[in-house]
Amino acid sequence: DAGITQSPRHKVTETGTPVTLRCHQTENHRYMYWYRQDPGHGLRLIHYSYGVKDTDKGEVSDGYSVSRSKTEDFLLTLESATSSQTSVYFCATSGTAISSNVRNIQYFGAGTRLSVL
Amino acid sequence: DAKTTQPPSMDCAEGRAANLPCNHSTISGNEYVYWYRQIHSQGPQYIIHGLKNNETNEMASLIITEDRKSSTLILPHATLRDTAVYYCIVRVGKDSNYQLIWGAGTKLIIKP
Repeated sequence: DAGITQSPRHKVTETGTPVTLRCHQTENHRYMYWYRQDPGHGLRLIHYSYGVKDTDKGEVSDGYSVSRSKTEDFLLTLESATSSQTSVYFCATSGTAISSNVRNIQYFGAGTRLSVL
Repeated sequence: DAKTTQPPSMDCAEGRAANLPCNHSTISGNEYVYWYRQIHSQGPQYIIHGLKNNETNEMASLIITEDRKSSTLILPHATLRDTAVYYCIVRVGKDSNYQLIWGAGTKLIIKP
């Protein structure tokens, strides 16, 4: 599995405060993704990156922004957190190796549990 | 919106084969079917994926119907550690720059 570290693992914050979640990978994978997971639902894509400084919106991007200044780091920012953003956030990566199996598999971090009060 | 439909829960006896069904009747011709699982409080783990042909790896087998409207994930000899939520997923988009569309998953409980 790709070495993916998410920080923090748990965070409690108040409505209206800014929050930044970090995803760090050691596999030199080109693609990185942020998902959220809510009870009773599968994962939903927030934003993804296809290279340094190249990002695009996913299914549920409203209220979130991302940045990728280095291959290894992908940051997710909630500019002004709301209670509806209470969720578990997962980062994933996928590579561009010659092997199509490696290229087409997303590897996931352990998640960040965020509570907005 | 999810492109897959799965039963919310299933049981299986330890040592038996676990067969998890998935319907994806609106899948397009170039969209892959993926399976991931998520053990409680952990990140999702890749299991297998396929397009048209049946696939097998060290973890499981994937059987896709000829019309591609449904598939079955088979865990040949289930163990207690296979208790997890299993997600059937459709991959949309072009090679390398794609998105995974997740359903709600099936909670599989392996019983001793």
